Amino acid sequence: EPEVTQTPSHQVTQMGQEVILRCVPISNHLYFYWYRQILGQKVEFLVSFYNNEISEKSEIFDDQFSVERPDGSNFTLKIRSTKLEDSAMYFCASSCPAHISLSCYEQFFGPGTRLTVL
Amino acid sequence: DQQVKQNSPSLSVQEGRISILNCDYTNSMFDYFLWYKKYPAEGPTFLISISSIKDKNEDGRFTVFLNKSAKHLSLHIVPSQPGDSAVYFCAASPLSNSGYALNFGKGTSLLVTP
Repeated sequence: EPEVTQTPSHQVTQMGQEVILRCVPISNHLYFYWYRQILGQKVEFLVSFYNNEISEKSEIFDDQFSVERPDGSNFTLKIRSTKLEDSAMYFCASSCPAHISLSCYEQFFGPGTRLTVL
Repeated sequence: DQQVKQNSPSLSVQEGRISILNCDYTNSMFDYFLWYKKYPAEGPTFLISISSIKDKNEDGRFTVFLNKSAKHLSLHIVPSQPGDSAVYFCAASPLSNSGYALNFGKGTSLLVTP
């Protein structure tokens, strides 16, 4: 069964450093997402991406964040200058097999990257 | 700003019995609702969904009920099995949402005991 994969599983970085989190969405999906979950809190939406553009973003997704689909398979989240409060589990998800609409909400999540900012 | 609330952080149920997980929402624009299950060290896994034009959707042992006037939904698991022990998240979104962003609750940790 196809699945979303994410690398690395755990990333430790110093405050102020740039990090890039990587994801390979399910191959026939059209929408890609990033969510995060700070320890003890709910899963929060960051951004959705369709047709090489951001389709929606939350207030959390400020200028420090960017997303990219550098090739036909990878989807990345870059945090330009990490802060302590960026420490969280970051989940990539994908949805929307071509030409099916309601299933776009039924998002498939990767296992997550645990980001620790020191 | 908790638009989706799961007021029970945990629930313990005996194997074979019914598990009922509850979720309330405040945003009247929400019209598509989903339940996800999450094991430790894994991402959320989609379980079942319901749109606001329905009040019930069933898939095997899992049934989701929606009461739109009360802004309440529930997930029933019958019969509960030890493998169902996980954290369950309720999520919601408006159908008019261009980016399909999901709003999640904080989750309910379900423990099914033998």
